[in-house]
Amino acid sequence: DAGVIQSPRHEVTEMGQEVTLRCKPISGHDYLFWYRQTMMRGLELLIYFNNNVPIDDSGMPEDRFSAKMPNASFSTLKIQPSEPRDSAVYFCASSSPPWGGNTGELFFGEGSRLTVL
Amino acid sequence: AQKITQTQPGMFVQEKEAVTLDCTYDTSDPSYGLFWYKQPSSGEMIFLIYQGSYDQQNATEGRYSLNFQKARKSANLVISASQLGDSAMYFCAMREGRGFQKLVFGTGTRLLVSP
Repeated sequence: DAGVIQSPRHEVTEMGQEVTLRCKPISGHDYLFWYRQTMMRGLELLIYFNNNVPIDDSGMPEDRFSAKMPNASFSTLKIQPSEPRDSAVYFCASSSPPWGGNTGELFFGEGSRLTVL
Repeated sequence: AQKITQTQPGMFVQEKEAVTLDCTYDTSDPSYGLFWYKQPSSGEMIFLIYQGSYDQQNATEGRYSLNFQKARKSANLVISASQLGDSAMYFCAMREGRGFQKLVFGTGTRLLVSP
């Protein structure tokens, strides 16, 4: 069974450019999460969805960030315009609800490493 | 206030020895879940072990066990018989509440296993 798939794995762009990160969750998972990891701030939750609906976007840093989940098998995180301080590894994760014998653990993708010059 | 605190930035252990990685948490909700993840140098996040707040026994998964002390609000990870491949960052995380909530992660502990 395929895990969470993220693309691109690496992205190098210049300040001011638009960046789009993509994620395909594990089939059947109802929840999708976007996290950002930096040395300074660790792992931060940006936003999460339940059944394609955004539930909590309080971690989205500012209006330059937006996330969508048009269907159960696809999500995007967009940064426009990008800035050097957005450089980080962006993880997508998915999970099943924490009942019915499930722990609700998150299954992570391999991450998208973004560098903004 | 920090929800999850990992006070050990780095830990060293010799191969085949046991090591304990500390994690304390802060919540007033009686229902919560605690998780440990491993992040090797390759970068992926690997789920290791889970403990529910109502679980009566400490969780175990192979060489991993969770020393859950509810009154102290601690959920330390114990790795027995350390292997070189255990060298990685280890993150403790918590989910609060009965309904599904986000996982909040600690700052991590870097473990180095020496031969």
